[in-house]
Amino acid sequence: DAGITQSPRHKVTETGTPVTLRCHQTENHRYMYWYRQDPGHGLRLIHYSYGVKDTDKGEVSDGYSVSRSKTEDFLLTLESATSSQTSVYFCATQMTGGNTEAFFGQGTRLTVV
Amino acid sequence: GQNIDQPTEMTATEGAIVQINCTYQTSGFNGLFWYQQHAGEAPTFLSYNVLDGLEEKGRFSSFLSRSKGYSYLLLKELQMKDSASYLCAVPASAGNKLTFGGGTRVLVKP
Repeated sequence: DAGITQSPRHKVTETGTPVTLRCHQTENHRYMYWYRQDPGHGLRLIHYSYGVKDTDKGEVSDGYSVSRSKTEDFLLTLESATSSQTSVYFCATQMTGGNTEAFFGQGTRLTVV
Repeated sequence: GQNIDQPTEMTATEGAIVQINCTYQTSGFNGLFWYQQHAGEAPTFLSYNVLDGLEEKGRFSSFLSRSKGYSYLLLKELQMKDSASYLCAVPASAGNKLTFGGGTRVLVKP
């Protein structure tokens, strides 16, 4: 299994505060993704990265930013958390993207109150 | 853009067979993935199809028809542990975004 660690695993935060979620991988995979999962919506792509300092938006990127300063870490920041961002967040990695298997972290459950 | 459709939920009996369909629309085809996700856990890889036809892997098989934009996952000899959500995913031909369908929740009853 790919070594993918998400931190924190659970977080409760107040509306309006900034929040940063971390994804750390030990597999030297080039591609990294952040998804959110909500009932009835499956996995929706927030942002992804195809290399250090190379990122792009997904389908639900509003209110989120990302950074990737080194291969192993991909950070997701909620600039000013809102209740609509209460969700389970999953990080995923792929060795070369596209048609290679994606591996997932265990998820972060974020509650915005 | 990409559009992926799956049924929301299916129920089947232990020992039976269930077929989960996935239809997709994508500009440029780069294969199709199936993932399994148990409640409260991360998705895990089941299969990848890039050529037409059926690929069998134990009790699970996956079928692809590129001309019809259609795939299915076939679960045979259902076991209680197969109760999970099954996610269909298609990588984009450009940009390598991996897009998922909404997932199909399968409930296996005794």
